Amino acid sequence: EIVLTQSPGILSLSPGERATLSCRASQSVSSNYLAWYQQRPGQAPRLLIYGASSRATGIPDRFSGSGSGTDFTLTINRLEPEDFAVFYCQQYGSSPLTFGGGTKVEIK
Amino acid sequence: EVQLVESGGGLVQPGGSLRLSCAASGFTFSSSPMCWVRQAPGKGLAWVASISASGGSTYHADSVKGRFTISRDNSKNTLYLQMNSLTAGDTAVYYCAKGNTFGDFWGQGVLVTVSS
Repeated sequence: EIVLTQSPGILSLSPGERATLSCRASQSVSSNYLAWYQQRPGQAPRLLIYGASSRATGIPDRFSGSGSGTDFTLTINRLEPEDFAVFYCQQYGSSPLTFGGGTKVEIK
Repeated sequence: EVQLVESGGGLVQPGGSLRLSCAASGFTFSSSPMCWVRQAPGKGLAWVASISASGGSTYHADSVKGRFTISRDNSKNTLYLQMNSLTAGDTAVYYCAKGNTFGDFWGQGVLVTVSS
C-alpha cells in the first residue's frame, strides 16, 4: 500500500499570498496518477487536479499541480477567501487507492 | 447538472446492517464507474469500494472486505453499499463519487453512526 504524507499539517496564510502544499509518497506513483481535492467545512470534497498536473473542469488557473515519482506539489497563487479549506492528495496508480492525511490552509 | 444524492444512513447497533443508496442524475450513469469513500468524524478520507460501469467488477478495501458489498442498478441509476457486521470503526460520513480511480464528482454524503 502506498502511504501519502502531506505537509505541512496546517498552513497559515493571508488572502493574496501563495500556498505551497506537499504530498510525498512511500513509493513511486505509477504514471503520476495523483489527484488533489479541496474540502470546505461541511462540504464534500471537490476534485482540483488529476494526473498530477491537469486541472479539473471549472477549476481556476490559480490552482496548479506539479511533481512526479514520489514528490508532488499543489500550488495556489493569490489565495482567495474561498480557498481556505483542507486539501487532500490521493494516488490511483495502484491498489488500494490511498489518500494523504490532509493540509489545512487557514487564514492568518 | 451532475447530481449524486446519498440516502440510507443513520444510527445502527454494533453487529447490525445498513444499505446505502446513491441516486445519480445529469450524466450517463451506465457508462460511469463509481465508488464509495468514507470519512470518520474529524478524520481524513478513506476509499471503501469501487465498481465498474457494468457492475461486473468490484473492489473492496481490506478493512471492509467480506462485510460490505458495492453494487449498482443501471436501470435505476442507483449505486448501493450493503454494510453488514458493522462496528464502531465504521462510523463515518459515506460519500459516493463518480469514477473509480479519482472522483470527479461527489455527493454530499450520508452519516452512519454505529453505537449501542
